[in-house]
Amino acid sequence: NAGVMQNPRHLVRRRGQEARLRCSPMKGHSHVYWYRQLPEEGLKFMVYLQKENIIDESGMPKERFSAEFPKEGPSILRIQQVVRGDSAAYFCASSGARTSTDTQYFGPGTRLTVL
Amino acid sequence: SQQGEEDPQALSIQEGENATMNCSYKTSINNLQWYRQNSGRGLVHLILIRSNEREKHSGRLRVTLDTSKKSSSLLITASRAADTASYFCARAIFGNEKLTFGTGTRLTIIP
Repeated sequence: NAGVMQNPRHLVRRRGQEARLRCSPMKGHSHVYWYRQLPEEGLKFMVYLQKENIIDESGMPKERFSAEFPKEGPSILRIQQVVRGDSAAYFCASSGARTSTDTQYFGPGTRLTVL
Repeated sequence: SQQGEEDPQALSIQEGENATMNCSYKTSINNLQWYRQNSGRGLVHLILIRSNEREKHSGRLRVTLDTSKKSSSLLITASRAADTASYFCARAIFGNEKLTFGTGTRLTIIP
């Protein structure tokens, strides 16, 4: 059973470009979470999705960031018009049930560098 | 802030010794999850302990939870060089599906 898959592992963008980060949850998992980690810091929650629904986006910046988890295919975190401050590691996690009862399993992350 | 604190921020010990890391938090939790992160890598889940549990074991790992003090500890016994990593506790709060992470403890095992 493959774990959480993320791609690309490393992504370099110039200021103003778009970044698309993909996450395939573990087989059978329908809950997906995105977190951001700045250097030497812990992870900060961004958004929680279930299939075709955004459940909690309280950690998402109001502009330029969006996320989706379509019925078919991976979850996508999209950052438009990237700025240097968006440089960070972005982690996706999945669970088979709600966090109150189940473990979140993390992917290897995508390291975004904005030049 | 709902974030807690982990202490120490950094810990260096000799191989074979035991390592203890602590995590404190401010709001009531549903469960608490410990993760390990090797430098530049993803997070590996170690142990989940629920609010009605006091202690859990997994191999050389022992996690305790004291809800009256709002604190948890992770003990690694007979440490190995491969245990060198950052360790994070993450809180799952009632009515909220996200995990809230602290800034972690950087553990270095000296061979």
